[in-house]
This record gives sequence, C-alpha cells and structure tokens, in this order.
Amino acid sequence: GAVVSQHPSWVICKSGTSVKIECRSLDFQATTMFWYRQFPKQSLMLMATSNEGSKATYEQGVEKDKFLINHASLTLSTLTVTSAHPEDSSFYICSASPGQVPDTQYFGPGTRLTVL
Amino acid sequence: GESVGLHLPTLSVQEGDNSIINCAYSNSASDYFIWYKQESGKGPQFIIDIRSNMDKRQGQRVTVLLNKTVKHLSLQIAATQPGDSAVYFCAENNAGNMLTFGGGTRLMVKP
Repeated sequence: GAVVSQHPSWVICKSGTSVKIECRSLDFQATTMFWYRQFPKQSLMLMATSNEGSKATYEQGVEKDKFLINHASLTLSTLTVTSAHPEDSSFYICSASPGQVPDTQYFGPGTRLTVL
Repeated sequence: GESVGLHLPTLSVQEGDNSIINCAYSNSASDYFIWYKQESGKGPQFIIDIRSNMDKRQGQRVTVLLNKTVKHLSLQIAATQPGDSAVYFCAENNAGNMLTFGGGTRLMVKP
C-alpha cells in the first residue's frame, strides 16, 4: 500500500518550454501533497505544500508564478515549471500524506528535468 | 544547470555487519520522526517511524532509537546487505504534516 507515482520520470526540454509533472497517490487519498526539489548529493528541499481544492503554500524563495501547482483531486497534484531554463534542471519529487496527524509522507519516484 | 552539492557523510560497512546511522534533529518540539532510504535516481522510500513517546521501535532488520534529551535519532540495520546501499535521511515532523529533512548519510556495503 501507499504507492505514489510520478509522470514523466525523465524529461528533456528546450529552454523556454513549460513542463508539467504529475503526482498520483494510487491506493490512498492524499489530503496533502508536497513538492520537493533535490540537487545532486543534497537533501530534499521543500518547494510547496498543496491541499486538495485550495491554493498551494510556497516556501520562501520559491516563485509561485514559476512553479504552478494544482491539486485537482485527492489523488492528483501537478507541478508545472513554466518557461523552464537550465537552472531549473533538477530532480523533482512529490510526496503524499493520507491525512493523519502526525503524518507520514510517501514519496513518488521522482522526475528528472533537464533543460537545454 | 544543477549546482554542485556538498559531499554526504559516508558510512562504509562489510556485508553482514550491523550498521548504525545517526541523525541530530533541531527542534525539541518535534513529535514524530521518520527514516527514509533513497537509492540513486529514485524517490525516498519509507523505512520506519517513531513517535516522541517512544525511545525505540523495531522493524524487520531495522531499529530506530530516539534520545529526546540530546535530540538524537539513530537507525540500526542488522546484517547489512548490498541492497541496503543507499542514502538514508532522517526527517522530523514538528508542524502538522511538515517534514524537515536531515542532510543524509550514504551507506556503502562492501561485499
């Protein structure tokens, strides 16, 4: 149980392209979903927290107009990197929480974004 | 492009030996802790959790110890196997569903 999927697993795009990453909880309903970014050999950096049906809460320094988050249902959240540039290249990981307090986050497999 | 990150601390153990990975957490108000395992190119995988009203919890081949006095968490892996090679992160929950992650430790298992 507690499986989270992400799609795509790897994307390469040209600078200026917008890229959408999907995060799905496959066998549970996720009250809250989280988006992280991870650089090589570093820990996870929380970008934003999203609750179904409401606007995402972004961490300090994360541009909400750059990283658009939509939490359309209890099993799906999307992250759109708008007008991607090479500095946006990174490993993006989502996680989902079933909604207990305190709560465990179950992570997706990650999406590697490479912007040329 | 991606920035160059810091080198993770590395623990190197012989196959079959026990491993102990340590983590210091920052917030004395944290009440829930989780250990995650992350293999290269993959997302973190839940290993074991512990609440602050406990000081020890055992799973299959893994044990988590919590010392609230010194704000220290450890993960013990018994009979370490090559498949245990990965980066291990501790995470603390101190505000609802938010997790704060430690820097990670790379475990390398020598055959």
